[in-house]
Amino acid sequence: DAKTTQPPSMDCAEGRAANLPCNHSTISGNEYVYWYRQIHSQGPQYIIHGLKNNETNEMASLIITEDRKSSTLILPHATLRDTAVYYCIVRVAYKGSARQLTFGSGTQLTVLP
Amino acid sequence: NAGVTQTPKFQVLKTGQSMTLQCAQDMNHEYMSWYRQDPGMGLRLIHYSVGAGITDQGEVPNGYNVSRSTTEDFPLRLLSAAPSQTSVYFCASSYSIRTRPTGEQYFGPGTRLTVT
Repeated sequence: DAKTTQPPSMDCAEGRAANLPCNHSTISGNEYVYWYRQIHSQGPQYIIHGLKNNETNEMASLIITEDRKSSTLILPHATLRDTAVYYCIVRVAYKGSARQLTFGSGTQLTVLP
Repeated sequence: NAGVTQTPKFQVLKTGQSMTLQCAQDMNHEYMSWYRQDPGMGLRLIHYSVGAGITDQGEVPNGYNVSRSTTEDFPLRLLSAAPSQTSVYFCASSYSIRTRPTGEQYFGPGTRLTVT
């Protein structure tokens, strides 16, 4: 998996957009960017993934720079329930049958009322 | 869809006892796996399965057994519990590579196990 760098913590006001950055300057052409989050004491939750185009789903948007060396996860209208640790993972889609997920240290997002 | 469900939510065992952690998914996912998460250690893969009847070991399989008789269920058995198995256990599932090559994984809510 390519190395990723995320800020350790961020705050966001409730109702505002939360923009979480991730640097992955050594990404390879066949590696995807995945985002997961883990709310305290809950199971990890898949959010979104992308290869080179920007992606949007019901939870978030993913913006990947043209050179693919960095990306931003956007939660358009953050709520208190979005307070969690957010993990950016860069890996090939199929990495052997085990598909082991490895989370780094992530970004602790705190949404403030 | 209920997604991935796990039971029980909490369990306390004495050393040497055995038990089974249950995991089920209703998304028709071929791939299922078990992780444990310890403070400061991240996720560690215990066992996984790429389909009914097929299981394999992950990073930390010792002390655990699995079987996969149906697509929906993937129970994890602790054979003789030890204090080192005190952890939070997560089950995850995913489509097969053929169906969804990007392989995003969906996790259950976890089982918090304490072994005394």
